[in-house]
Amino acid sequence: QKEVEQNSGPLSVPEGAIASLNCTYSDRGSQSFFWYRQYSGKSPELIMFIYSNGDKEDGRFTAQLNKASQYVSLLIRDSQPSDSATYLCAVPISGGYNKLIFGAGTRLAVHP
Amino acid sequence: SAVISQKPSRDICQRGTSLTIQCQVDSQVTMMFWYRQQPGQSLTLIATANQGSEATYESGFVIDKFPISRPNLTFSTLTVSNMSPEDSSIYLCSALQASGNTEAFFGQGTRLTVV
Repeated sequence: QKEVEQNSGPLSVPEGAIASLNCTYSDRGSQSFFWYRQYSGKSPELIMFIYSNGDKEDGRFTAQLNKASQYVSLLIRDSQPSDSATYLCAVPISGGYNKLIFGAGTRLAVHP
Repeated sequence: SAVISQKPSRDICQRGTSLTIQCQVDSQVTMMFWYRQQPGQSLTLIATANQGSEATYESGFVIDKFPISRPNLTFSTLTVSNMSPEDSSIYLCSALQASGNTEAFFGQGTRLTVV
């Protein structure tokens, strides 16, 4: 069974701090990794994707991938209350024509 | 990114009835998927909607319960048949925009309540 695991949280951070969200996956054949943000009552919104080991930065967001250890993380710098949402890690099923397996999601709460 | 429109956005249905959810994309996409998100849970893939052929269902989902159509590259429907309260969920349409592209986008979802 291919799995994607996340800590459900809630992860509570003060405004301006760095929020660190982690995800582990079981399929060593996975090649691409996605982070989605989902506000309560809304559909998931793609915020980052990463294919290569190392870091990928986009504004306040940094995705980090370590294929040897099978984890991918998302760092949010200068966290804002508007970042409060559930963050979903998603990994395509290898050989599965881009079908995504989602983790349970981590709920992030940024407090003023 | 492609814009994906779903309708209805929400519905309340009687048990034993069926509901068809429509998904329209504003541009041609290579692949379309249907997901379910039960209350407080993450997304579970129901099936891949294949253009011009039968959908490919994931384990635990069957065509008789969730018939899917995809008559062209921009449109798909999911029917939830013979509904029970356990089918109360959010149903989400997703699409991949281009061949080789793996970034999936989502419609706004259909919130279904079965009473």
